[in-house]
Amino acid sequence: AQTVTQSQPEMSVQEAETVTLSCTYDTSESDYYLFWYKQPPSRQMILVIRQEAYKQQNATENRFSVNFQKAAKSFSLKISDSQLGDAAMYFCAYRSATNNDMRFGAGTRLTVKP
Amino acid sequence: EPEVTQTPSHQVTQMGQEVILRCVPISNHLYFYWYRQILGQKVEFLVSFYNNEISEKSEIFDDQFSVERPDGSNFTLKIRSTKLEDSAMYFCASRVYRGSYEQYFGPGTRLTVT
Repeated sequence: AQTVTQSQPEMSVQEAETVTLSCTYDTSESDYYLFWYKQPPSRQMILVIRQEAYKQQNATENRFSVNFQKAAKSFSLKISDSQLGDAAMYFCAYRSATNNDMRFGAGTRLTVKP
Repeated sequence: EPEVTQTPSHQVTQMGQEVILRCVPISNHLYFYWYRQILGQKVEFLVSFYNNEISEKSEIFDDQFSVERPDGSNFTLKIRSTKLEDSAMYFCASRVYRGSYEQYFGPGTRLTVT
């Protein structure tokens, strides 16, 4: 079974600085998708960024980018120029290309200091 | 922009009672999901639904749970006899078609079992 591990329960960053959130996963499949979701205090799940495993190029969405290392099964999220509104729980998620279920990590709580 | 909606936002029920959580997925989406998040824990997959039947379910989704798409727009999760440990946030999600991989989440229903 696929598992997703986020080894940092909490992280903090100074406003305008850069922070990297770690995620590793375990799978025997070659085709899959990876996601980072943001969950603010409202608890809504908001998609931040996604990566297809067959793409070598790292995904980027404005201030958010990933470092996808397929061989190492690592999928870290980098947030540049951190803003107060970035404070939230961040969940890494894995979805097989063949299954419908999505596996989530335990989450990292990000605090942004003014 | 179309979005997934869920009602109610908060449901309080007594142990042993039946509850129905409602979701309206995005109108042209074909795949539907329920996830659960116990407070302070990770988001867990419950079930996926396609073509009017369950396509996958997790070990959490036992005989106490059922899903239904009664009228072509709503997607419901029923818990027959609630237990204290069913207290959680329940998220509905939907996806367009098999070739897509992005799931859109609703805002969640907070279920409190007393």
